Amino acid sequence: DVKVTQSSRYLVKRTGEKVFLECVQDMDHENMFWYRQDPGLGLRLIYFSYDVKMKEKGDIPEGYSVSREKKERFSLILESASTNQTSMYLCASSLWVGGNQPQHFGDGTRLSIL
Amino acid sequence: AQSVTQLGSHVSVSEGALVLLRCNYSSSVPPYLFWYVQYPNQGLQLLLKYTTGATLVKGINGFEAEFKKSETSFHLTKPSAHMSDAAEYFCAVRDPGNQGGKLIFGQGTELSVKP
Repeated sequence: DVKVTQSSRYLVKRTGEKVFLECVQDMDHENMFWYRQDPGLGLRLIYFSYDVKMKEKGDIPEGYSVSREKKERFSLILESASTNQTSMYLCASSLWVGGNQPQHFGDGTRLSIL
Repeated sequence: AQSVTQLGSHVSVSEGALVLLRCNYSSSVPPYLFWYVQYPNQGLQLLLKYTTGATLVKGINGFEAEFKKSETSFHLTKPSAHMSDAAEYFCAVRDPGNQGGKLIFGQGTELSVKP
């Protein structure tokens, strides 16, 4: 089974802090994704990565950056956290992009910015 | 641009009753289709995915979905609801020609099961 592990289940930070959310997958997947989930809005893609050191903007990249230095690890960075970034953050991975290849999700990090 | 509509943000059924969760997509070209389930405080788990050529797709936990091209739909059903089915369900699509192969998610349907 694919295992996608997010380092924190719950996180509380203050406005203006730099926040790191970490995600690790154990199946040698090429592709990794970061989403945020808000009530009534479903999942929205923030950033994704096809390969090490490669990244692509998703639908809502503003205020975020990412890092992928190793294949198994994909980090989401909030450069200067703001209260409107309080949300559930979900990391996912897939073997390759496209077709009927599913994405596999971690358990999420519920982030509160005070 | 492709879009996904899940009719009903909240569905409530009695235990043992039929579960029907609706999903419609907008593209005229049949996309790749998925259903995911999210239990409280957990990530998304794949329930099933559409495979070309099969109109009825069986998934885990007794769920199945029927692909109807003429209706651009991929509704999720289960003949008899169980209390453990209470969760949020997401329909997702991927266009065959979508650069990056991104998944587009519906807004989700929360299923409640009454005893």
